[in-house]
Amino acid sequence: GAGVSQTPSNKVTEKGKYVELRCDPISGHTALYWYRQSLGQGPEFLIYFQGTGAADDSGLPNDRFFAVRPEGSVSTLKIQRTERGDSAVYLCASSLGQGTPLHFGNGTRLTVT
Amino acid sequence: SQQGEEDPQALSIQEGENATMNCSYKTSINNLQWYRQNSGRGLVHLILIRSNEREKHSGRLRVTLDTSKKSSSLLITASRAADTASYFCATDLLQGGKLIFGQGTELSVKP
Repeated sequence: GAGVSQTPSNKVTEKGKYVELRCDPISGHTALYWYRQSLGQGPEFLIYFQGTGAADDSGLPNDRFFAVRPEGSVSTLKIQRTERGDSAVYLCASSLGQGTPLHFGNGTRLTVT
Repeated sequence: SQQGEEDPQALSIQEGENATMNCSYKTSINNLQWYRQNSGRGLVHLILIRSNEREKHSGRLRVTLDTSKKSSSLLITASRAADTASYFCATDLLQGGKLIFGQGTELSVKP
């Protein structure tokens, strides 16, 4: 079956611009996660949705970052006024719920110039 | 902040040898999971061990968990060149639903 799909796979933007990153989870997965990964590092937790609501957004670095999942399926991570330090691979994952394995997409590589 | 610490950071072995990676964590967990990541790709789930389990096997993988020491190990037996990847432990915290990843071990298996 289809896995987790992330679009775009690559995004280059200028400092100060707004970007949206999309995640299509596996059908039927109620939990959805966003992580950020820099080169040579482990994934850094950003936010976790259970259904439509953000169950834990403690990993969002500041108020420039926002994520939504309005219908409990597709999620969008939004970054305002991008900074060069936002450059990283943004990973999305979905699961059947807490305590079950995560299924990851291949990520969106964001480069802020 | 990262909860898990893994060692070694990098490991280089010959095909056929066993590879052992260790993970330590700080707070109480529901379960601990191991993932693999090939360069430029997303992570792939390998194995999940619950807090009331001490050892689990899956094919050539063996995972142990010692909750008193807050540590886990991943053993890959009879390694193959295709096992070359980064391996991450991740802890499912007792409070909340998020999964926190360690920094990873980069494994290189030479043919």
